[in-house]
Amino acid sequence: DAKTTQPNSMESNEEEPVHLPCNHSTISGTDYIHWYRQLPSQGPEYVIHGLTSNVNNRMASLAIAEDRKSSTLILHRATLRDAAVYYCILDNYGQNFVFGPGTRLSVLP
Amino acid sequence: DGGITQSPKYLFRKEGQNVTLSCEQNLNHDAMYWYRQDPGQGLRLIYYSQIVNDFQKGDIAEGYSVSREKKESFPLTVTSAQKNPTAFYLCASSYTSGSFSDEQFFGPGTRLTVL
Repeated sequence: DAKTTQPNSMESNEEEPVHLPCNHSTISGTDYIHWYRQLPSQGPEYVIHGLTSNVNNRMASLAIAEDRKSSTLILHRATLRDAAVYYCILDNYGQNFVFGPGTRLSVLP
Repeated sequence: DGGITQSPKYLFRKEGQNVTLSCEQNLNHDAMYWYRQDPGQGLRLIYYSQIVNDFQKGDIAEGYSVSREKKESFPLTVTSAQKNPTAFYLCASSYTSGSFSDEQFFGPGTRLTVL
């Protein structure tokens, strides 16, 4: 199974951009890259996903390296509500359901 | 409101008792999933179902059982064979069967404590 590695924790100041990295050096050509986040005592919520090209939505942007061995989730202006655990997940049409420990993002006022 | 409901939010049981956790969705999703989360850890897949009357084991299925008699419902039974059942249990669903590349929608979770 393809795995991901993320920093355990990161800190950001409010209203500044945040770049959350994810390494996935064993990614296969058909693996999608997903990002979810989880607030304390809640279920995870979907943030964004992509395959090869960079992706943008109302919540965030996903920058995917050209060799696809790493990706970065970008929160353009962090707010206190963005404090959560962020998970980077690889999906190969249902064959990979692996949520690692994720990155705990703290946002300082 | 469309979504996934899990009940109850908190559940206490005595050791050796079976307990069933409820998960219902009205999103008309084909696929449903059960995950377990321990403190400070990521989620681990217990079981998933891509269609009614069919389900597959995930990474940690031992000591658990499921059924999928209706599209909307995917209950999880934690049996007495599960060695460490105290955990946070999360149910999820997604629209397209067999493809995790679809967004998964999660319920609020059930926190099970076995005394």
